[in-house]
Amino acid sequence: NAGVTQTPKFRVLKTGQSMTLLCAQDMNHEYMYWYRQDPGMGLRLIHYSVGEGTTAKGEVPDGYNVSRLKKQNFLLGLESAAPSQTSVYFCASSSAETQYFGPGTRLLVL
Amino acid sequence: AQKITQTQPGMFVQEKEAVTLDCTYDTSDPSYGLFWYKQPSSGEMIFLIYQGSYDQQNATEGRYSLNFQKARKSANLVISASQLGDSAMYFCAMRGGGSQGNLIFGKGTKLSVKP
Repeated sequence: NAGVTQTPKFRVLKTGQSMTLLCAQDMNHEYMYWYRQDPGMGLRLIHYSVGEGTTAKGEVPDGYNVSRLKKQNFLLGLESAAPSQTSVYFCASSSAETQYFGPGTRLLVL
Repeated sequence: AQKITQTQPGMFVQEKEAVTLDCTYDTSDPSYGLFWYKQPSSGEMIFLIYQGSYDQQNATEGRYSLNFQKARKSANLVISASQLGDSAMYFCAMRGGGSQGNLIFGKGTKLSVKP
């Protein structure tokens, strides 16, 4: 049972490049989330999904897009990366009581 | 608006002693959940303990217990018999009663266990 997995683990981008972060969960959870973590801060919500085919904005959605075409996958896209998007990105999926986090993706935008 | 406050940026504790990490919260929702996560230097977020707002008893999980004082809006984490492996960042988080179910996080407390 893998839980929540994220791909890639680490990536370096140049300003203006695009990329997609992939999150997969095998727990059949309806709810999935993308957070970012910056130094000295807790996690902040970027986007979330309450089910296949549905997405919504969180606290810091600007510069990101998401898609949930399959229940088990939640994709986070950066169309034109900016240095301000240098961060650690965490995906999570949720049961009734607990959120399970992936291992994180460290993104550096130069 | 919902908010989590962790006022201790860093804490030190001697190995085998108990330590309390503070967390206060603010919400107008009658139904909410409180969580603690551990983040070691390797970076993953590890779920430790959960307390529901209607739970009558304080949650416990092994060496972790949550001291829930609803009237004071506090949800302190108590770690008994600290171990060197407990050195990490600890985050308090809250889930409100809204439909999205996301967590609101505090800024964390860095715990260092001394041998």
